Amino acid sequence: GIQVEQSPPDLILQEGANSTLRCNFSDSVNNLQWFHQNPWGQLINLFYIPSGTKQNGRLSATTVATERYSLLYISSSQTTDSGVYFCAVDSNYQLIWGAGTKLIIKP
Amino acid sequence: GEEVAQTPKHLVRGEGQKAKLYCAPIKGHSYVFWYQQVLKNEFKFLISFQNENVFDETGMPKERFSAKCLPNSPCSLEIQATKLEDSAVYFCASSQLRVYEQYFGPGTRLTVT
Repeated sequence: GIQVEQSPPDLILQEGANSTLRCNFSDSVNNLQWFHQNPWGQLINLFYIPSGTKQNGRLSATTVATERYSLLYISSSQTTDSGVYFCAVDSNYQLIWGAGTKLIIKP
Repeated sequence: GEEVAQTPKHLVRGEGQKAKLYCAPIKGHSYVFWYQQVLKNEFKFLISFQNENVFDETGMPKERFSAKCLPNSPCSLEIQATKLEDSAVYFCASSQLRVYEQYFGPGTRLTVT
């Protein structure tokens, strides 16, 4: 089945820093979503981005479907950005998840 | 409603007991998905529905897990004879279309003791 790999697994940054999170997938996909799971366990939809580039405030994402990767950019990090960021791809109409990137933003 | 609702938030069961979880999808969404999150970072697909029909159940351990989505009722996921390894957070998601953005509920944390 399809493999989803996220990097880096862990990231510790100072408030105000920028970061780039990567998601590689091993086969063609119908859909790709980025989520933020906050420290209370809530899953927050960030982007639905099977291809192209989207921006929402300090966050933006780019998916290059032909090269099988997606990038999530976080600018001017805030402590509330802490948590785990997941990439999930739709393969055969079910989401296959990466292992996540754990992000810690220090004040 | 505007959000996926899941109840209860927490559920504690002794090994061998039954557990039943509920999910109300966003109004107007035809597709419902159940996922299991274990060890904080591992998500596993369990089952999906198109309205009240099972669409894909390839992820379900069928000997103990069952699920339903009946008209005018919340969807349910039931685990007969729970095992310690069933301890996890169970998320429900809904979507307008088969291949489209999935919206997740707050999850139900099941602890089997």
